[in-house]
Amino acid sequence: EPEVTQTPSHQVTQMGQEVILRCVPISNHLYFYWYRQILGQKVEFLVSFYNNEISEKSEIFDDQFSVERPDGSNFTLKIRSTKLEDSAMYFCASSEPTLFGQGTRLTVV
Amino acid sequence: AQSVTQLDSQVPVFEEAPVELRCNYSSSVSVYLFWYVQYPNQGLQLLLKYLSGSTLVESINGFEAEFNKSQTSFHLRKPSVHISDTAEYFCAVSGPYNTDKLIFGTGTRLQVFP
Repeated sequence: EPEVTQTPSHQVTQMGQEVILRCVPISNHLYFYWYRQILGQKVEFLVSFYNNEISEKSEIFDDQFSVERPDGSNFTLKIRSTKLEDSAMYFCASSEPTLFGQGTRLTVV
Repeated sequence: AQSVTQLDSQVPVFEEAPVELRCNYSSSVSVYLFWYVQYPNQGLQLLLKYLSGSTLVESINGFEAEFNKSQTSFHLRKPSVHISDTAEYFCAVSGPYNTDKLIFGTGTRLQVFP
């Protein structure tokens, strides 16, 4: 069964450092998304990506965030200068249907 | 704007009892509705979805949900729960296109006791 794969499963970083979260979406899917879930809270939409460009982004997705599909298979989320409040589980998803990866737990210290 | 309300943050139930997890949505456009399950320290697994057609949708593990447009609801039900059903359940809405972003509810923690 096809699945969305995310790496790493857990990343610890120091405040102010850059992090890149990686995702391999399902190969024949065309729409890709990033969501985040702060511990104990609901899942929030960050950004959607189609045809190699951002199709929609939320208020959370500010200038510190960026996404790209560098090689036609990977889909990455970069946080340029991490803050403590960026600590969360980050989920990649691809559609249709909307299937999620196992997530990357980002801990900013 | 769309929103999802899951009124019950926790639902305790004994094994083999029936359960209903409530989900209400708000949307000014046509919707697609989803239920996801999240086991501890795991990702989100698609449980079932309503896209169109029959308003009653079923999952492979005995859950079902019914889309009720007049009541703007998509409640999740199971006639007899197992210990292994203990998890967090999230209702989500998207639309008007099925590739639109998902808006999630706050989740319902289903705790099944022996």
